[in-house]
Amino acid sequence: DGGITQSPKYLFRKEGQNVTLSCEQNLNHDAMYWYRQDPGQGLRLIYYSQIVNDFQKGDIAEGYSVSREKKESFPLTVTSAQKNPTAFYLCASRAQTVHGYTFGSGTRLTVV
Amino acid sequence: QKEVEQDPGPLSVPEGAIVSLNCTYSNSAFQYFMWYRQYSRKGPELLMYTYSSGNKEDGRFTAQVDKSSKYISLFIRDSQPSDSATYLCAMSGTSTGNQFYFGTGTSLTVIP
Repeated sequence: DGGITQSPKYLFRKEGQNVTLSCEQNLNHDAMYWYRQDPGQGLRLIYYSQIVNDFQKGDIAEGYSVSREKKESFPLTVTSAQKNPTAFYLCASRAQTVHGYTFGSGTRLTVV
Repeated sequence: QKEVEQDPGPLSVPEGAIVSLNCTYSNSAFQYFMWYRQYSRKGPELLMYTYSSGNKEDGRFTAQVDKSSKYISLFIRDSQPSDSATYLCAMSGTSTGNQFYFGTGTSLTVIP
């Protein structure tokens, strides 16, 4: 079945550590997105990529980095510069001709 | 002012009730309107998609868009306990590029 796989489902980070969240899709979608979801704030766009080897900052890119070396993969690194990383992270993809996203099941990141 | 406003609820209704969920928005350039359903600790799934003004029906769900009032609604008829979830509205337009704007979500509980 086609879909988006995010891993891990739960991730714990120590202060000062970088961590990488995985996002893989087999939908052959061109565009991929990373969102952060916090209670009462909805979904906020971190980074997006419309094509391999190209990506753009979203509204809250500070403290995050991404790469898009393959069409299927769009990993997100949460760096130590991100001061409040505890949140639910959602990866999504979209075909160019479709206006709705397909979301992954999310990664819950907690700083310990 | 946020681009999209959505009452967070929570909303609690008895089984079989008609549920009305609403969003307002400020950007008249929005043309595409979506409703997502998100179960706890899962990624959102696309429920309804509407282009421009009008109604769209799919089973027990009806999406309405009133562009003149910048107001969209999702109606759920004969609500079921399985409808208990958070409902997010989202919208975009050709002039907003690839960016979607999400409401904060409304938490719905349907009581058996």
